[in-house]
Order: sequence, then structure tokens, then C-alpha cells
Amino acid sequence: DVKVTQSSRYLVKRTGEKVFLECVQDMDHENMFWYRQDPGLGLRLIYFSYDVKMKEKGDIPEGYSVSREKKERFSLILESASTNQTSMYLCASSAPGARGNTEAFFGQGTRLTVV
Amino acid sequence: GIQVEQSPPDLILQEGANSTLRCNFSDSVNNLQWFHQNPWGQLINLFYIPSGTKQNGRLSATTVATERYSLLYISSSQTTDSGVYFCAVLGQGAQKLVFGQGTRLTINP
Repeated sequence: DVKVTQSSRYLVKRTGEKVFLECVQDMDHENMFWYRQDPGLGLRLIYFSYDVKMKEKGDIPEGYSVSREKKERFSLILESASTNQTSMYLCASSAPGARGNTEAFFGQGTRLTVV
Repeated sequence: GIQVEQSPPDLILQEGANSTLRCNFSDSVNNLQWFHQNPWGQLINLFYIPSGTKQNGRLSATTVATERYSLLYISSSQTTDSGVYFCAVLGQGAQKLVFGQGTRLTINP
């Protein structure tokens, strides 16, 4: 059974804290993604990675960074958390295919509240 | 970039009814997926269907790539089918999935 696991389901952090959201996949997928989901704005891509140590900015990278030291793990870092980063964060992985990336699988999500 | 539009935005039905959810997209795609977001927020894979028709129990999906739309059918709805259904597409040459705004389905007992 395919699995993408996010380290926390719920997280409460203070403004200004450095926050790490961890994501691990067991499918040997090359591609990994971080999205955030907000009411009325839908799902938006923050960053993605198509290989170890490689990263690409998505649509809303400001205020975030990422780390991919191992193929199975993709970390999202909030350097200095702010209240406007309160959101649902979703990690996904997929494999490259002949006609673009294949089926994507998502983790259970992390609801982050910054107070 | 590619645009994805889902309709209707909200759908309220009685248990046992059938429903059809639609996803329109603005350009050719290499990949199309349907997801159900459960009450805890997780996106559950329903179908990976860039073209053609697939069925899984009471659910089926059809994608007509040449006409740029996909349909998700739910038959004999149950209260556990409630939630938000998302369509997501991968445009040609793209690396990221683009999501529609979702259809919120409510099944009343």
C-alpha cells in the first residue's frame, strides 16, 4: 500500500518561530511537492523537488524554504512563522512517466496554526 | 497556465441518489486525477484517468481529452460520500498538478 506520511496532523507555533514540516514517502518516487490549502483559494503549490537536493519554486514560495537530502524525505521550512501562514499543508509524491508525472499521492495533511 | 473549473460548486442530495460532477480544463493534459477530501483533510485518490472510462464500485469516471472535460459519477450515494471532490490536471510539459476549486457534496440521510 502506497504511503506518504506527514510528521504531524496538528501543530501550533508562535509568531517568529522556525517551523519544520516533514514528509516521508515509501514509493521511491523522484518527485515531491508541498501545497497549502486555504478556504476560497484552493490548493496552491509552494515548492517541489524532482530529485535529491533539487528544488523548484511553485506559485507561492515567499516565506518558505525546502530541503531534500534523501529521496524519501522532503521538508518544508518556515524560517520565521507568521500568522498568515496558518493553513493546511499537504505533501505529495509522484514518479516521472513517459507523458509527464504519473499518479500523485498525498499525505494526511498538517493543520498549522501560528499564534 | 492551464485553468480547471469544477461544477457545481455545491451539491446536496438525499441518500440513494445519483450524482454527476464535472471538470473542465482549458488545455491539453497528460494526467487527470479525481480526489475525495475526507473530513480530516486528507486527499484520497479516486481515479487516475487522463482519458477513457474507469469504474470502481459505485464510482466511475470518464475523461474526454479531445473535448477537455471529465465527469465523476457517484451512484446510490451514501452519507460517507459527503465531502469535497477535487479534479486536478497536469498540463503538457508541466510538472505540477493544477487543482479545481472543488465540488462540496452533502448526502443527507
